[in-house]
Amino acid sequence: DTGVSQDPRHKITKRGQNVTFRCDPISEHNRLYWYRQTLGQGPEFLTYFQNEAQLEKSRLLSDRFSAERPKGSFSTLEIQRTEQGDSAMYLCASSLAGGRPEAFFGQGTRLTVV
Amino acid sequence: QKEVEQDPGPLSVPEGAIVSLNCTYSNSAFQYFMWYRQYSRKGPELLMYTYSSGNKEDGRFTAQVDKSSKYISLFIRDSQPSDSATYLCVKKGNRGNTPLVFGKGTRLSVIA
Repeated sequence: DTGVSQDPRHKITKRGQNVTFRCDPISEHNRLYWYRQTLGQGPEFLTYFQNEAQLEKSRLLSDRFSAERPKGSFSTLEIQRTEQGDSAMYLCASSLAGGRPEAFFGQGTRLTVV
Repeated sequence: QKEVEQDPGPLSVPEGAIVSLNCTYSNSAFQYFMWYRQYSRKGPELLMYTYSSGNKEDGRFTAQVDKSSKYISLFIRDSQPSDSATYLCVKKGNRGNTPLVFGKGTRLSVIA
């Protein structure tokens, strides 16, 4: 399977714990995006990388959130001191600079904070 | 006002019906218009995209863009139960690195 891969698919954590999600984009794609989707809403942009550089962050990305893409390949999204409001589907997408405008999405990581 | 407005539905139609899904947008800076389909508990997948005003057809799906009224439509002909999903209206700016901006999505059920 050469699509976008996300791990884990599901995560249940207690409030106050830290969680980390991983995204492996399509191999030749140099752009990587993180989105968050809550029930009944469309995905909302969180942050974007081109290669290893984080070029844009949404105001939705509070200080408790950090994302990295250390070698311009896979990316991680960490949430520190999770809150119940962090419960959502976290989606990763990738695209190719200079290519078609659409982004290809993974299956998401569903986070539940109890 | 959200940048992309979409009626969330749910919309329920019988199999074989023609479905019309609509959305409006408020920012003229958007240049690309896309429709993504999302099945329950799955990631969104691209159905089609268009760059300009007018119609674009792909099989049973037709996307229509009217930039003068900032109105976008997706028509599904001969709808099938497998078309039951949430349809997301999406905009993107002309610069290559601008992120996709999604509407809330319209949940469609096609009843056999």
